[in-house]
Amino acid sequence: EAGVAQSPRYKIIEKRQSVAFWCNPISGHATLYWYQQILGQGPKLLIQFQNNGVVDDSQLPKDRFSAERLKGVDSTLKIQPAKLEDSAVYLCASSIRLAEYNEQFFGPGTRLTVL
Amino acid sequence: AQSVTQPDIHITVSEGASLELRCNYSYGATPYLFWYVQSPGQGLQLLLKYFSGDTLVQGIKGFEAEFKRSQSSFNLRKPSVHWSDAAEYFCAVVINTGNQFYFGTGTSLTVIP
Repeated sequence: EAGVAQSPRYKIIEKRQSVAFWCNPISGHATLYWYQQILGQGPKLLIQFQNNGVVDDSQLPKDRFSAERLKGVDSTLKIQPAKLEDSAVYLCASSIRLAEYNEQFFGPGTRLTVL
Repeated sequence: AQSVTQPDIHITVSEGASLELRCNYSYGATPYLFWYVQSPGQGLQLLLKYFSGDTLVQGIKGFEAEFKRSQSSFNLRKPSVHWSDAAEYFCAVVINTGNQFYFGTGTSLTVIP
């Protein structure tokens, strides 16, 4: 079974530029998550989708971050414009369905450096 | 508010020695508890999880964890550490509305020969 795919793996941009990350979850997984992991910290949930609907985006900085999952499969996370403090690893995860006991499977992440 | 505390930022153990990584949570009810491991450049991998029942849970790679309600703890243990166990370990709590994970800050494990 293929795992969660993410691209690119690495991205370096200047502040105030835009960037987009892509995630393809495990086939058949209805729930998709985006996390931000700043160096030395645990992952922090940014947004959570159930199929193509948003379940929770309370921690997403909506003035600069946006995410979509139009067809209920793959998803993109965008930052526009980027700030220095956005430097982090962005992790995508998926689970079969929305339930607290369901394991989340994580992708390898995209490491973003903002200069 | 829910929170997860991993008091040890970094631990160094000798190969073959026993290991215990601490995790404490703050939550009103019994949460769902998880331990994940993250190797350099890799995504997080689930080691084990606790929902209910037997408070001692077994996971992959020889790890186990014990849930202690009285101490609000879910410590991870391994009787004999291997060099390949060197990684970052995260404890996570899931609240019962929507599968939202709260991760601790992680414990970095170094294994010396």
